[in-house]
Formats: sequence, C-alpha cells, structure tokens
Amino acid sequence: EVQMVESGGGLVQPGGSLRLSCAASGFTFSRYAMHWVRQTPGKGLECVSTINSGGDVTFYANSVKGRFTISRDNSKNTLSLQMGSLRVEDMALYYCARVLYDSSAYYYDYWGQGTLVTVSS
Amino acid sequence: DIQMTQSPSSVSASVGDRVSITCRASQGISSWLAWYQQKPGKAPKLLIYTASKLQTGVPSRFSGSGSGTDFSLTISNLQPEDFATYYCQQGSSFPRTFGQGTKVEMK
Repeated sequence: EVQMVESGGGLVQPGGSLRLSCAASGFTFSRYAMHWVRQTPGKGLECVSTINSGGDVTFYANSVKGRFTISRDNSKNTLSLQMGSLRVEDMALYYCARVLYDSSAYYYDYWGQGTLVTVSS
Repeated sequence: DIQMTQSPSSVSASVGDRVSITCRASQGISSWLAWYQQKPGKAPKLLIYTASKLQTGVPSRFSGSGSGTDFSLTISNLQPEDFATYYCQQGSSFPRTFGQGTKVEMK
C-alpha cells in the first residue's frame, strides 16, 4: 500500500525556520518525482516545490523561491522541505504528493495526510 | 501562472442527480487537466487526469471532458459518498495550479 507520512510541522515565529519530512513506503520511491503542495482556507491549494526522481532537478513557486529548499534521500525513502525566512502567508497545511507523469503533464496520484505549519509571533 | 477558474463555487444536489462542474484555464492547456475530490480533514484524491482518464479504482459515474481552455467533470447518479469539494488542476506547466474548488452539498 502506498503511504506517505509528513512530519515536522509546528508553530514558528515569523522569520524562523522549519524542516518538513515525508516518509514514503509501499512503492519504489526512487522512481517518482515528488511534490510539496500546501493548502489554506484563503488561497486554496498551491504547488510549492517539486523534485525529480534523481533529486538533481528542482522547481519552486515564486512565492517561496530563495527561502525553501526541497531535497530527497532515495536510500531512506524520504522527501524534505527546508523552510526559512518564514512569513505569515506561509502558514498552511503542507502535503507531500507523488507525481503521476502522463505524457508531458504532472498530476498527483497519492498524498500524505499533511502537516500543519503555523507562523505567528 | 495559469489561472484556473471553477464554476459554480457550490452546488446543491440530491442522491441520484447528475452534477456537472466546469473549469476554465486562462490559457490553452491541451488536455493536461486533472480533477480531485477532497473530503473534510482528508487529502485530495485524484479522480481523473488528462481530462478524461479515470484513475484506477474510481467509480465510472465520474467522467471528464474538454480540451484547450474549457473542461468539465460530471458525476452521474450522485451517491452519498460523493458530497465533497472538487478541484481541477492543470498539469501543463509549472507551477501546477488548482481551481478554487466546487463544493457539492446535499439539497
């Protein structure tokens, strides 16, 4: 059974840092691109960052570029998101999601349960 | 970024009804569109991808159509477990963007 479990969320002050992790199981992690997607009541679902299967190609949304770093450890089946210079607008439920690649398009076929990031003083 | 606009924002329906939701992209995305279902407290679940391909395990009462900028999701014979919020997502270019959601509520 495909499973992804996020961890690392919590309360952090503006300007602070947090590291999210996603432990994957039930599939060959190293064969799949992975993504972080966040959700807020106000802005809805927002793609934050993606990393290819090998870990050498990454993309970031403009809203987090230069502040967040996505990485993966295929030997440990783990996806990470290092978040720095956190802002109130980064407060959200963060999901890791497995990429379903069809022709030239990306979709998300499995999601974790999410980890909540709260940014507040 | 490609903007995705769904309509309506909510729809009231009864079990057995046929429900249609539309999604419009701000620019052409070929057939690179997915639909997700989300229930409260749960992660989104992929229903349809590439406009009309049914994800494994998804009931056949769900169907999708469209190309270019205009797409639709249809739920025929609405079941009690289908009351949820539905999102479209373009898979064409980064950042992948989602619609704002359509809530299917019980009439």
